[in-house]
Amino acid sequence: DAGVIQSPRHEVTEMGQEVTLRCKPISGHNSLFWYRQTMMRGLELLIYFNNNVPIDDSGMPEDRFSAKMPNASFSTLKIQPSEPRDSAVYFCASSSQQGVEKLFFGSGTQLSVL
Amino acid sequence: GNSVTQMEGPVTLSEEAFLTINCTYTATGYPSLFWYVQYPGEGLQLLLKATKADDKGSNKGFEATYRKETTSFHLEKGSVQVSDSAVYFCALSALSSSGGSNYKLTFGKGTLLTVNP
Repeated sequence: DAGVIQSPRHEVTEMGQEVTLRCKPISGHNSLFWYRQTMMRGLELLIYFNNNVPIDDSGMPEDRFSAKMPNASFSTLKIQPSEPRDSAVYFCASSSQQGVEKLFFGSGTQLSVL
Repeated sequence: GNSVTQMEGPVTLSEEAFLTINCTYTATGYPSLFWYVQYPGEGLQLLLKATKADDKGSNKGFEATYRKETTSFHLEKGSVQVSDSAVYFCALSALSSSGGSNYKLTFGKGTLLTVNP
């Protein structure tokens, strides 16, 4: 299995631009998570999908952030407009069950907003 | 609320040294405890887990014991290798008071381990 695939690996953009991060979970996994990692705050859960339905988006920082999962094999995290404080590593993770007993992470997207 | 506190790094050891990374937690409910490892440029990988008190999780020579009385889950390895250099995260998940799914992982800040030859 190819594992969780995220793209792009690195994204550099200017403040005010729209940024879209992409994730392909492991085939057969029905739970998908978006995490953000920063030095100051560590790893934070942004949103959790189960069977393509958003279950918990309480971690999404503000309305500039949105996430979709149109089908079982694809999810996006969009930031519009982006701000320098959004600079972080964004991870997508998936699991085959509703809990987190076996969570598989992608390699992350390093986002830099100038 | 739930929280995880792990020792600040960085930790620098020589090859074959003994490793301990301390982790303590605060949780409501009955948490499961995890150690994840992040190698440079990669995502996190589950290293080991324990789901109830006194359980010992082990993998690749690493082990950690779920100590409910001290609310701890310290990571240990008897003889580290250069290839163990990575960031180690302690984490917990706990069922909500309403008994809902434990889908949320609460992570510690991570401890950078560097092993020198």
